[in-house]
Amino acid sequence: QQQVKQSPQSLIVQKGGISIINCAYENTAFDYFPWYQQFPGKGPALLIAIRPDVSEKKEGRFTISFNKSAKQFSLHIMDSQPGDSATYFCAASITSGNTGKLIFGQGTTLQVKP
Amino acid sequence: DVKVTQSSRYLVKRTGEKVFLECVQDMDHENMFWYRQDPGLGLRLIYFSYDVKMKEKGDIPEGYSVSREKKERFSLILESASTNQTSMYLCASSPGGPKTQYFGPGTRLLVL
Repeated sequence: QQQVKQSPQSLIVQKGGISIINCAYENTAFDYFPWYQQFPGKGPALLIAIRPDVSEKKEGRFTISFNKSAKQFSLHIMDSQPGDSATYFCAASITSGNTGKLIFGQGTTLQVKP
Repeated sequence: DVKVTQSSRYLVKRTGEKVFLECVQDMDHENMFWYRQDPGLGLRLIYFSYDVKMKEKGDIPEGYSVSREKKERFSLILESASTNQTSMYLCASSPGGPKTQYFGPGTRLLVL
């Protein structure tokens, strides 16, 4: 019940295309869903996050779509660029309490071809 | 800027050795975390700490221990390193509550 399942494991997209990464969860107590981006040799960094009271959040070319009834959320990267090539992790958290503990998905390695 | 530093980028150790991985954050964050990252398995939480001298087991604590004597420093200890502990180890910190976690650059550990 604490798992977050992420797919696909790897993704190759042409420059200018749309990259889509999907995540699913079981625990309905999760109420905070961030996405982290990790470049080679670096630690992950927060990219964008959403709470379940909205169905979509957009920041620049990055959009999170959230489907509460299906217990799924996804990251869309519009007009994908070679600089977006990285590993992406979805995560989920329960915001009550003070620990800030996140449950991460398995990760998706994105390659954007020029 | 929040800075999380890890003592080593690369480490090579022998089976049975005691290994210390150090993590320091400079933002007075309450929470600190240790993860290991393996291909196809994502980030798995080993231990976390929400206050000095406080710790809680994560999802994969076996073979590991931690120490947090000062707020800014969180150490991961492999009591007797084994080859299945070869991995990338990532430290993170965050303010109290469900806030952004800030990660260090990671330590790639090879146990021979």
